[in-house]
Amino acid sequence: EDQVTQSPEALRLQEGESSSLNCSYTVSGLRGLFWYRQDPGKGPEFLFTLYSAGEEKEKERLKATLTKKESFLHITAPKPEDSATYLCAVQARDTDKLIFGTGTRLQVFP
Amino acid sequence: GAVVSQHPSRVICKSGTSVKIECRSLDFQATTMFWYRQFPKQSLMLMATSNEGSKATYEQGVEKDKFLINHASLTLSTLTVTSAHPEDSSFYICSARALGSGGQYYEQYFGPGTRLTVT
Repeated sequence: EDQVTQSPEALRLQEGESSSLNCSYTVSGLRGLFWYRQDPGKGPEFLFTLYSAGEEKEKERLKATLTKKESFLHITAPKPEDSATYLCAVQARDTDKLIFGTGTRLQVFP
Repeated sequence: GAVVSQHPSRVICKSGTSVKIECRSLDFQATTMFWYRQFPKQSLMLMATSNEGSKATYEQGVEKDKFLINHASLTLSTLTVTSAHPEDSSFYICSARALGSGGQYYEQYFGPGTRLTVT
């Protein structure tokens, strides 16, 4: 069964304190792994898609990496505005569906 | 690009009434849209996949007669919650499938969500 597990469930960081969020997955043939940011009461905002092991993508203070079993979202020198829930989702090769993890709730304090 | 809107953003209705939620792709055509619901502090659960011009495909456990989905054009899908009950209160989010920036693969872009409260 396709499955996505995210850790930690919640993370509190001081402004400028870099860290990583983990997304472990099992899927029958990966088409893509997606990272989204979700603010309270809003829909998910697209961040990255990764398609193959070894791939990396960056956007401002965020960098996503992918292996055959997991993905990391690295946050470098975070700011309070980076506070949000970060969702990871996978898509299997033979479907349009996304399977979501339960997210990591990130809080960055000044 | 790839902007998705939803209307209304919030709705309160009485038990037994029906509510329609609209999902629009603003700057692209979407042959496939998706409807999710999300409970507080939980992740997104796919309810159904909506294909333009054909019947929606519902996930196991989702009542198709209760959650009516219509995808009549390439930019609009609607979700109607019929005979709503308090347990239908939730955050409903749609997404639309669009080609990513590389032009090779499809990605899902989400609307801002609709908060439904049934009293």
